[in-house]
Amino acid sequence: SQQGEEDPQALSIQEGENATMNCSYKTSINNLQWYRQNSGRGLVHLILIRSNEREKHSGRLRVTLDTSKKSSSLLITASRAADTASYFCATDLSGNTPLVFGKGTRLSVIA
Amino acid sequence: ETGVTQSPTHLIKTRGQQVTLRCSSQSGHNTVSWYQQALGQGPQFIFQYYREEENGRGNFPPRFSGLQFPNYSSELNVNALELDDSALYLCASSFVGLETQYFGPGTRLLVL
Repeated sequence: SQQGEEDPQALSIQEGENATMNCSYKTSINNLQWYRQNSGRGLVHLILIRSNEREKHSGRLRVTLDTSKKSSSLLITASRAADTASYFCATDLSGNTPLVFGKGTRLSVIA
Repeated sequence: ETGVTQSPTHLIKTRGQQVTLRCSSQSGHNTVSWYQQALGQGPQFIFQYYREEENGRGNFPPRFSGLQFPNYSSELNVNALELDDSALYLCASSFVGLETQYFGPGTRLLVL
Protein backbone atom coordinates (compact mmCIF):
# COMPACT_ATOMS: atom_id res chain seq x y z
CA SER A 1 0.00 0.00 0.00
CA GLN A 2 1.16 3.54 -0.64
CA GLN A 3 1.58 5.89 2.26
CA GLY A 4 2.06 9.16 0.44
CA GLU A 5 -0.57 10.78 -1.70
CA GLU A 6 0.43 13.61 -4.00
CA ASP A 7 -1.89 16.39 -5.00
CA PRO A 8 -2.67 17.35 -7.70
CA GLN A 9 -2.40 14.23 -9.84
CA ALA A 10 -1.53 16.39 -12.83
CA LEU A 11 -0.42 20.00 -13.24
CA SER A 12 0.12 22.05 -16.37
CA ILE A 13 1.81 25.46 -16.23
CA GLN A 14 3.60 27.94 -18.47
CA GLU A 15 7.36 28.24 -18.48
CA GLY A 16 8.50 30.74 -15.87
CA GLU A 17 5.60 30.06 -13.51
CA ASN A 18 5.97 28.36 -10.15
CA ALA A 19 4.74 24.81 -9.58
CA THR A 20 3.56 23.55 -6.21
CA MET A 21 2.92 19.92 -5.41
CA ASN A 22 1.66 18.55 -2.14
CA CYS A 23 2.14 15.24 -0.38
CA SER A 24 0.23 13.79 2.54
CA TYR A 25 1.22 10.71 4.51
CA LYS A 26 -0.26 8.59 7.26
CA THR A 27 2.33 7.56 9.86
CA SER A 28 5.26 9.10 11.68
CA ILE A 29 8.38 9.33 9.57
CA ASN A 30 12.13 9.73 9.88
CA ASN A 31 12.42 11.71 6.68
CA LEU A 32 10.55 12.54 3.49
CA GLN A 33 12.17 12.62 0.08
CA TRP A 34 11.14 13.96 -3.30
CA TYR A 35 12.09 12.23 -6.55
CA ARG A 36 11.64 13.11 -10.21
CA GLN A 37 10.97 10.61 -12.98
CA ASN A 38 11.22 11.43 -16.67
CA SER A 39 9.06 9.43 -19.09
CA GLY A 40 8.89 6.21 -17.07
CA ARG A 41 12.63 5.99 -16.56
CA GLY A 42 14.67 5.85 -13.36
CA LEU A 43 14.01 8.07 -10.36
CA VAL A 44 16.28 11.01 -9.61
CA HIS A 45 16.63 12.10 -6.00
CA LEU A 46 15.83 15.79 -5.56
CA ILE A 47 15.79 16.61 -1.88
CA LEU A 48 15.46 15.04 1.57
CA ILE A 49 13.89 16.71 4.57
CA ARG A 50 14.11 15.22 8.04
CA SER A 51 11.27 15.08 10.52
CA ASN A 52 12.88 17.78 12.69
CA GLU A 53 13.20 20.19 9.76
CA ARG A 54 10.47 22.51 8.52
CA GLU A 55 11.90 23.90 5.30
CA LYS A 56 14.74 23.15 2.94
CA HIS A 57 16.03 24.71 -0.26
CA SER A 58 18.04 23.36 -3.15
CA GLY A 59 18.47 25.61 -6.16
CA ARG A 60 14.98 26.33 -7.54
CA LEU A 61 13.41 23.77 -5.19
CA ARG A 62 11.81 24.55 -1.86
CA VAL A 63 10.40 21.82 0.33
CA THR A 64 8.35 22.26 3.46
CA LEU A 65 7.33 19.66 6.01
CA ASP A 66 4.51 19.90 8.54
CA THR A 67 4.64 16.82 10.75
CA SER A 68 1.56 17.88 12.70
CA LYS A 69 -0.48 17.75 9.50
CA LYS A 70 1.59 14.90 8.03
CA SER A 71 2.10 16.85 4.85
CA SER A 72 4.86 18.23 2.66
CA SER A 73 5.01 20.53 -0.32
CA LEU A 74 7.47 20.88 -3.17
CA LEU A 75 7.77 24.25 -4.88
CA ILE A 76 9.64 24.61 -8.16
CA THR A 77 10.26 28.24 -8.96
CA ALA A 78 10.68 29.72 -12.44
CA SER A 79 9.82 26.43 -14.09
CA ARG A 80 11.41 25.30 -17.34
CA ALA A 81 10.27 22.91 -20.05
CA ALA A 82 12.95 20.50 -18.80
CA ASP A 83 11.10 20.28 -15.47
CA THR A 84 8.35 18.31 -17.23
CA ALA A 85 8.27 14.99 -15.38
CA SER A 86 6.47 13.03 -12.69
CA TYR A 87 7.29 13.97 -9.12
CA PHE A 88 7.00 11.52 -6.24
CA CYS A 89 7.21 11.94 -2.52
CA ALA A 90 8.60 9.01 -0.55
CA THR A 91 8.62 8.48 3.17
CA ASP A 92 11.30 6.72 5.17
CA LEU A 93 9.83 5.51 8.42
CA SER A 94 12.94 4.94 10.52
CA GLY A 95 16.01 5.79 8.47
CA ASN A 96 17.45 3.55 5.75
CA THR A 97 14.19 1.61 5.56
CA PRO A 98 12.35 0.92 2.33
CA LEU A 99 10.89 4.01 0.79
CA VAL A 100 7.11 4.21 0.56
CA PHE A 101 6.06 6.18 -2.50
CA GLY A 102 2.92 8.02 -3.45
CA LYS A 103 1.34 7.88 -6.90
CA GLY A 104 3.03 11.04 -8.07
CA THR A 105 2.17 14.35 -9.69
CA ARG A 106 2.61 14.68 -13.45
CA LEU A 107 3.95 18.13 -14.21
CA SER A 108 3.85 19.60 -17.70
CA VAL A 109 5.70 22.86 -18.33
CA ILE A 110 4.67 24.46 -21.58
CA ALA A 111 7.20 26.63 -23.40
CA GLU B 1 23.70 9.56 -13.98
CA THR B 2 23.59 7.67 -10.69
CA GLY B 3 26.10 4.95 -11.56
CA VAL B 4 23.45 2.27 -11.11
CA THR B 5 22.89 0.17 -14.21
CA GLN B 6 20.20 -2.36 -15.04
CA SER B 7 19.81 -4.94 -17.76
CA PRO B 8 18.01 -5.58 -19.95
CA THR B 9 16.20 -2.31 -20.64
CA HIS B 10 13.14 -4.04 -22.08
CA LEU B 11 11.87 -7.59 -21.95
CA ILE B 12 8.84 -9.45 -23.28
CA LYS B 13 7.79 -12.75 -21.72
CA THR B 14 4.73 -14.96 -21.78
CA ARG B 15 2.62 -16.00 -18.84
CA GLY B 16 4.15 -18.84 -16.85
CA GLN B 17 7.73 -18.12 -17.88
CA GLN B 18 10.57 -17.09 -15.58
CA VAL B 19 12.65 -13.93 -15.80
CA THR B 20 15.91 -12.65 -14.33
CA LEU B 21 16.66 -8.96 -14.10
CA ARG B 22 20.09 -7.61 -13.22
CA CYS B 23 21.39 -4.58 -11.40
CA SER B 24 24.87 -3.22 -10.85
CA SER B 25 25.10 -0.99 -7.80
CA GLN B 26 26.90 2.30 -7.52
CA SER B 27 30.50 1.86 -6.45
CA GLY B 28 30.85 1.62 -2.67
CA HIS B 29 27.19 0.86 -2.02
CA ASN B 30 26.42 -2.31 -0.04
CA THR B 31 22.63 -2.26 -0.03
CA VAL B 32 20.31 -2.84 -2.96
CA SER B 33 16.54 -2.53 -3.05
CA TRP B 34 14.13 -3.58 -5.76
CA TYR B 35 10.87 -1.83 -6.59
CA GLN B 36 8.00 -2.59 -8.94
CA GLN B 37 6.26 0.32 -10.64
CA ALA B 38 3.02 -0.39 -12.45
CA LEU B 39 1.85 2.06 -15.08
CA GLY B 40 0.55 5.26 -13.52
CA GLN B 41 1.56 4.22 -10.01
CA GLY B 42 4.41 4.94 -7.66
CA PRO B 43 7.13 2.35 -7.06
CA GLN B 44 6.36 -0.41 -4.57
CA PHE B 45 9.06 -2.05 -2.48
CA ILE B 46 9.77 -5.70 -3.29
CA PHE B 47 12.80 -6.48 -1.12
CA GLN B 48 16.18 -5.27 0.02
CA TYR B 49 19.53 -7.04 0.24
CA TYR B 50 22.42 -6.15 2.53
CA ARG B 51 25.65 -8.13 2.59
CA GLU B 52 24.10 -10.82 0.40
CA GLU B 53 21.19 -11.45 2.79
CA GLU B 54 17.56 -10.45 2.38
CA ASN B 55 17.03 -7.53 4.74
CA GLY B 56 13.36 -6.75 4.38
CA ARG B 57 10.53 -7.68 2.07
CA GLY B 58 7.39 -5.99 0.86
CA ASN B 59 4.04 -7.55 0.11
CA PHE B 60 5.16 -9.74 -2.77
CA PRO B 61 4.76 -13.53 -3.11
CA PRO B 62 7.68 -15.98 -2.84
CA ARG B 63 7.89 -16.34 -6.61
CA PHE B 64 9.73 -13.01 -6.43
CA SER B 65 13.23 -13.81 -5.24
CA GLY B 66 16.61 -12.16 -5.32
CA LEU B 67 20.33 -12.47 -4.95
CA GLN B 68 23.11 -10.09 -4.06
CA PHE B 69 26.65 -11.00 -5.03
CA PRO B 70 29.96 -10.18 -3.27
CA ASN B 71 30.57 -7.35 -5.74
CA TYR B 72 27.17 -5.95 -4.66
CA SER B 73 25.52 -6.58 -8.01
CA SER B 74 22.06 -8.06 -7.72
CA GLU B 75 19.42 -10.12 -9.47
CA LEU B 76 15.65 -10.17 -9.27
CA ASN B 77 14.03 -13.43 -10.30
CA VAL B 78 10.34 -13.84 -10.96
CA ASN B 79 8.89 -17.31 -11.52
CA ALA B 80 5.54 -18.26 -13.02
CA LEU B 81 5.00 -14.86 -14.57
CA GLU B 82 1.51 -13.38 -14.47
CA LEU B 83 0.03 -10.64 -16.62
CA ASP B 84 0.00 -8.29 -13.61
CA ASP B 85 3.78 -8.60 -13.35
CA SER B 86 4.03 -6.28 -16.33
CA ALA B 87 5.74 -3.20 -14.91
CA LEU B 88 8.91 -1.16 -14.67
CA TYR B 89 11.34 -2.81 -12.26
CA LEU B 90 13.73 -0.45 -10.54
CA CYS B 91 16.74 -1.21 -8.44
CA ALA B 92 18.23 1.28 -6.04
CA SER B 93 21.56 1.15 -4.28
CA SER B 94 22.61 2.83 -1.09
CA PHE B 95 25.09 2.58 1.74
CA VAL B 96 23.85 1.54 5.15
CA GLY B 97 23.48 4.64 7.29
CA LEU B 98 22.80 6.88 4.34
CA GLU B 99 19.19 7.75 3.68
CA THR B 100 19.35 8.50 -0.03
CA GLN B 101 18.83 5.73 -2.55
CA TYR B 102 20.20 5.94 -6.08
CA PHE B 103 18.00 4.43 -8.74
CA GLY B 104 18.89 2.73 -11.99
CA PRO B 105 17.02 3.42 -15.24
CA GLY B 106 14.79 0.37 -14.80
CA THR B 107 13.80 -2.69 -16.78
CA ARG B 108 10.42 -2.61 -18.46
CA LEU B 109 8.83 -6.06 -18.41
CA LEU B 110 5.82 -6.95 -20.51
CA VAL B 111 4.07 -10.25 -19.84
CA LEU B 112 1.77 -11.48 -22.61
